[in-house]
This record gives sequence, C-alpha cells and structure tokens, in this order.
Amino acid sequence: SQTIHQWPATLVQPVGSPLSLECTVEGTSNPNLYWYRQAAGRGLQLLFYSVGIGQISSEVPQNLSASRPQDRQFILSSKKLLLSDSGFYLCAWSVWAEETQYFGPGTRLLVL
Amino acid sequence: DAKTTQPPSMDCAEGRAANLPCNHSTISGNEYVYWYRQIHSQGPQYIIHGLKNNETNEMASLIITEDRKSSTLILPHATLRDTAVYYCIVRVSNAGGTSYGKLTFGQGTILTVHP
Repeated sequence: SQTIHQWPATLVQPVGSPLSLECTVEGTSNPNLYWYRQAAGRGLQLLFYSVGIGQISSEVPQNLSASRPQDRQFILSSKKLLLSDSGFYLCAWSVWAEETQYFGPGTRLLVL
Repeated sequence: DAKTTQPPSMDCAEGRAANLPCNHSTISGNEYVYWYRQIHSQGPQYIIHGLKNNETNEMASLIITEDRKSSTLILPHATLRDTAVYYCIVRVSNAGGTSYGKLTFGQGTILTVHP
C-alpha cells in the first residue's frame, strides 16, 4: 500500500531563517505531488504541484520554492522566512492529475 | 470547478447516522463530487467520491440527487472519532491530463459527535 511521510511534524523558526520541509511517498511510481498550505482557521491553498522529476509549477507567487530531486521526493524551501509563512503545510500525492489526492500528516510551521 | 455550499456546523449523537448535505447547483456534467474530512491537527483524509450514482465504501455512503445539484454524505453509525471538518468538493476528473488536479477546499462543515 502507499504511504506518505512528512517531516518535521512541527517547526519553530525565526524570521529570516531558511526552511526545508520534506515529503516522500512510498509504494507508487511517478506520482503527481502537491504542496498545500492551511492558515489558521482557513481552507487549504495549493502552492506547488509536480508531475515529474524536476517539473515544478507554482500556483501563487510567494516567498517559497519547491523541488523534486527524486521521483517520490518533494521539498518545500525558503531562503528567508517571513511571519506570514506560518501555517500548516500539507503534501499530497495522486496517481494522475485528476484522480484522488491523498494527504500526508502535515508540518506545522511557526515563524517568530 | 463548481462552487459548493455546506452548513457551517452540525451535531450528531454517537451511534446515530450523520447526514451531511452539500449544494453544488452549478456542477458540470464531467465534475465529480468528492468528500474529505480533516480531524484536528491532521491532514485531510479522503472519504468517497462519485459522479452520478450513489456510492458506498467502508467509511460512508454518498447520495447524489438525480439532477446532481446536491448530495449527502452519510456516516451510518457516527463515533466520537468522526468529529472533524467535512469538505465537499466538486472537480473535473479524467480530463485527459489537461488540468493538474487542484483541489479547492471551502470552509466545510464542522461535525461534532457527542456521547
């Protein structure tokens, strides 16, 4: 069966520091991968999606970037965190772009 | 993707059926109805989806009206662990790779199951 992992589970970072969140998927090949962010009390916002290694599409302009160095690895990064980057970051995968998405456990980021 | 409307909150007694409604009056013929739920501090969990016919799996049943303008998610025997925010989403599926599969989550329905 397929599983999706995210780490760390929680992270507290100072403003201006770099960020690296990692997501890996097991049990499937060539998945579509997604990064979402959920601000407190709000719905999910799609940040990035990837249909293959090295292929990244950005949904909204922001202080973050994403990379996919391996088939089942998706990384969310920032060079300098802002207070507004705080939130709950969720990684998801799907077999095809239009099929069901399955979410990881999430990383809760607090920027102080 | 079509917009959905859900009640902001609902209550249900443990052991009883929870019926969560969703309106999607502008749904298109190739749009599916998806349901996810999010338990506090966890990632969203897929529940069920359907196009025209009613669907049932080990978690829930999905009833879609004949005109497809509304649907109901049924949890047949709600437990305390079913307390969560439930999201109804309509989206295109099997579009031949022309879209990247964005899920648009609204505010959902906060379901509280009480003893």
